[in-house]
Amino acid sequence: QVQLQESGPGLVKPSETLSLTCAVSGYSISSGYYWGWIRQPPGKGLEWIGSIYHSGSTYYNPSLKSRVTISVDTSKNQFSLKLSSVTAADTAVYYCARDYYGSGSYYWVVYFDYWGQGTLVTVSS
Amino acid sequence: SSELTQDPAVSVALGQTVRITCQGDSLRSYYASWYQQKPGQAPVLVIYGKNNRPSGIPDRFSGSSSGNTASLTITGAQAEDEADYYCNSRDSSGNHLRVFGGGTKLTVL
Repeated sequence: QVQLQESGPGLVKPSETLSLTCAVSGYSISSGYYWGWIRQPPGKGLEWIGSIYHSGSTYYNPSLKSRVTISVDTSKNQFSLKLSSVTAADTAVYYCARDYYGSGSYYWVVYFDYWGQGTLVTVSS
Repeated sequence: SSELTQDPAVSVALGQTVRITCQGDSLRSYYASWYQQKPGQAPVLVIYGKNNRPSGIPDRFSGSSSGNTASLTITGAQAEDEADYYCNSRDSSGNHLRVFGGGTKLTVL
């Protein structure tokens, strides 16, 4: 069974960098798939932050691209998120998830099949 | 703003059928995936691809697609289906970008 677990500080000061790690068990990151970060501000919807392929190729939400870095450490079977210059608007529950992208019978197929439980990050001084 | 548009709220009587829709240009080339999220919990994948259910998802959940619209249908809605539902796909730019719909709050009456 694939499991993901987010970890990192629950409180970050404005203008500082938010750093989270997602530990993966039950599946080797180097075997394939993309690996993504999604966030959800309190009371709001889901927002995709970005994804990384097991080889290291990254794709970011254009609205966050200038502040986001996602990296992968296959030796530890984990991937990480860094979001710089945070403000109160970055307060959210942050999820990591396994991200599938491939061809289907007629269309391309995309989905996030395994999710972490989520971790609340509050930006406040 | 989201490139995938969902109705904010939908209601259904217990045991009846409800359809939740998701509209976007990218849905002409990409299947939508659907997620159920209950309060305080992580989203759960319920439909992916043409009409596939992960293990453990009841067969009352089904998916379909036509033109720029994807639909999630719950046939015989149960009280435990009351939740927020999100669609997800690629954006319409042709890049490797993912996008979520704004979500639909389903109320089971």
